[in-house]
Amino acid sequence: QKEVEQDPGPLSVPEGAIVSLNCTYSNSAFQYFMWYRQYSRKGPELLMYTYSSGNKEDGRFTAQVDKSSKYISLFIRDSQPSDSATYLCASRPNQAGTALIFGKGTTLSVSS
Amino acid sequence: DTAVSQTPKYLVTQMGNDKSIKCEQNLGHDTMYWYKQDSKKFLKIMFSYNNKELIINETVPNRFSPKSPDKAHLNLHINSLELGDSAVYFCASGASAVPGQTQYFGPGTRLLVL
Repeated sequence: QKEVEQDPGPLSVPEGAIVSLNCTYSNSAFQYFMWYRQYSRKGPELLMYTYSSGNKEDGRFTAQVDKSSKYISLFIRDSQPSDSATYLCASRPNQAGTALIFGKGTTLSVSS
Repeated sequence: DTAVSQTPKYLVTQMGNDKSIKCEQNLGHDTMYWYKQDSKKFLKIMFSYNNKELIINETVPNRFSPKSPDKAHLNLHINSLELGDSAVYFCASGASAVPGQTQYFGPGTRLLVL
């Protein structure tokens, strides 16, 4: 079983829709949770990160972590065609130098 | 201005050849990583260096040998290339003392082995 599971999609929505992207993880030691956005033929770009459980909001993006259910979510409000990309969730323990464990990524397409 | 840079961006080569990929970061980070992204976009850690010392070495064939001449550089040498090595290789860097230690990725090196 992979440590971070993510539905690869693809997910297609119309412009303006609210998008919900989700991951689950299995390692109880994970403390940091990140969302990366990757455009085609580019490197992953950090979108948001949270520590432990809770919500974090940045503009149209909200990241949520529920450690009791080991569930990670990213919500995108008022989605735009420029949001079309692959979204990767990642986690790691609270230990210096540890690598990120990634989900497989969800490909999102927002049509105008 | 580029934070994490990699060269080359594209690499097309024959099976059995040896090739190197270079990575440089100007963010002042002390930890650098190599990740491999397969054709299904799954990103997986290969190696990690902290202050030039190897700290993560996943189950990667020993044909892959990383080298870190200093904190700002991490290179990857691959011997006897195989078809299955075709992938995108990403370098990343992070600061181990920073809470959350988010990692910043380079643009990737697209390797195609024929």
